[in-house]
Amino acid sequence: KAGVTQTPRYLIKTRGQQVTLSCSPISGHRSVSWYQQTPGQGLQFLFEYFSETQRNKGNFPGRFSGRQFSNSRSEMNVSTLELGDSALYLCASSFASTGGYEQYFGPGTRLTVT
Amino acid sequence: AQKITQTQPGMFVQEKEAVTLDCTYDTSDPSYGLFWYKQPSSGEMIFLIYQGSYDQQNATEGRYSLNFQKARKSANLVISASQLGDSAMYFCAMRERGLRETSGSRLTFGEGTQLTVNP
Repeated sequence: KAGVTQTPRYLIKTRGQQVTLSCSPISGHRSVSWYQQTPGQGLQFLFEYFSETQRNKGNFPGRFSGRQFSNSRSEMNVSTLELGDSALYLCASSFASTGGYEQYFGPGTRLTVT
Repeated sequence: AQKITQTQPGMFVQEKEAVTLDCTYDTSDPSYGLFWYKQPSSGEMIFLIYQGSYDQQNATEGRYSLNFQKARKSANLVISASQLGDSAMYFCAMRERGLRETSGSRLTFGEGTQLTVNP
């Protein structure tokens, strides 16, 4: 069974631009979560989607948004990029939107904002 | 609020020896899942092992075992027979277990332990 895939793997953007990251979950998984990892803040939860609905949201500004499609693929968008948005963005998939199931991560997208 | 504490920023172990990575957690939820992940320098977060709060037995996956002590709220990872490839950052994480499959949840991570395996 294929794992979680994320595209692109690396991205360089300029302040003020916007960016869209994509995540394809493991086949059969309906929950997709997004996390931001930075050296200073560690791993922080962005949001979770299940069956095309946002089920949970972290403490991030409205510039961060996401969506999930009917095939469970998910995208996250960051508008008006700031230098502090430089991070590794990790996507994780799980069968369900609850803690009783294992959660698997993709390889991440490394975003650099200049 | 949930909280995960990993008190060992760095650990060193000799190849073929066992090592224990500490993790304590705090939650008011009676039902939750505990996870350990390995993150090599490449950045990918690799799932290692899972323990449910109601599981009677400690979880094991190959060379990995989870020493779950519910009363002490600890979930230490034990790696037996360390290998050079085990050198990486290790994260303990917790996810609350909602009443329904659609309850919505998030992983709360500790700060991680950098493990170095010496030859």
